[in-house]
Amino acid sequence: DAEITQSPRHKITETGRQVTLACHQTWNHNNMFWYRQDLGHGLRLIHYSYGVQDTNKGEVSDGYSVSRSNTEDLPLTLESAASSQTSVYFCASSDTTGLRTEAFFGQGTRLTVV
Amino acid sequence: GDSVTQMEGPVTLSEEAFLTINCTYTATGYPSLFWYVQYPGEGLQLLLKATKADDKGSNKGFEATYRKETTSFHLEKGSVQVSDSAVYFCALRGNQGGKLIFGQGTELSVKP
Repeated sequence: DAEITQSPRHKITETGRQVTLACHQTWNHNNMFWYRQDLGHGLRLIHYSYGVQDTNKGEVSDGYSVSRSNTEDLPLTLESAASSQTSVYFCASSDTTGLRTEAFFGQGTRLTVV
Repeated sequence: GDSVTQMEGPVTLSEEAFLTINCTYTATGYPSLFWYVQYPGEGLQLLLKATKADDKGSNKGFEATYRKETTSFHLEKGSVQVSDSAVYFCALRGNQGGKLIFGQGTELSVKP
């Protein structure tokens, strides 16, 4: 079965370190997204990609970067981790930019910055 | 820009009670609307969706009707179960490409 997987599931890092969260999907979807989930804010979009070599900033992109070198993967990098980036991160993918297509989500990565 | 507003939680109900979680949206054009559910410790799963005005999405006893005149997509269930305890997210996909825009989520707790 096709799926979307995130790794690691849990991560503790120190302030100032660079951290990369992995996202891998086997749906062969063009669209991939990174969200962060925080209490009281729901899910907020960090970065997204509509295909290989395409990346776009979401509403909370400061301090984060992504790259899309193939269809399957969209790694999220925190350039210099800050305590404000302690959160649960979700990766998602969807098939097209059409209005009728649902997104599929990974299980999430809980990141703690100490 | 597009936005989604949900009623705040947490919502606590007794088993077999009626559930309504309100969701309203702001969007240009004709967005598609979704309800996602997140069980404890898990990712988000699609619960139901509606793609045009007056469509009714339904799944697992949950229903929501796309009301363009009131820009709403309220989630309802006639008789909740303890297993329905989760966080529910309303979302839209509109003219801003494939991005899903989420509400803040509503936590539901169902007591036996």
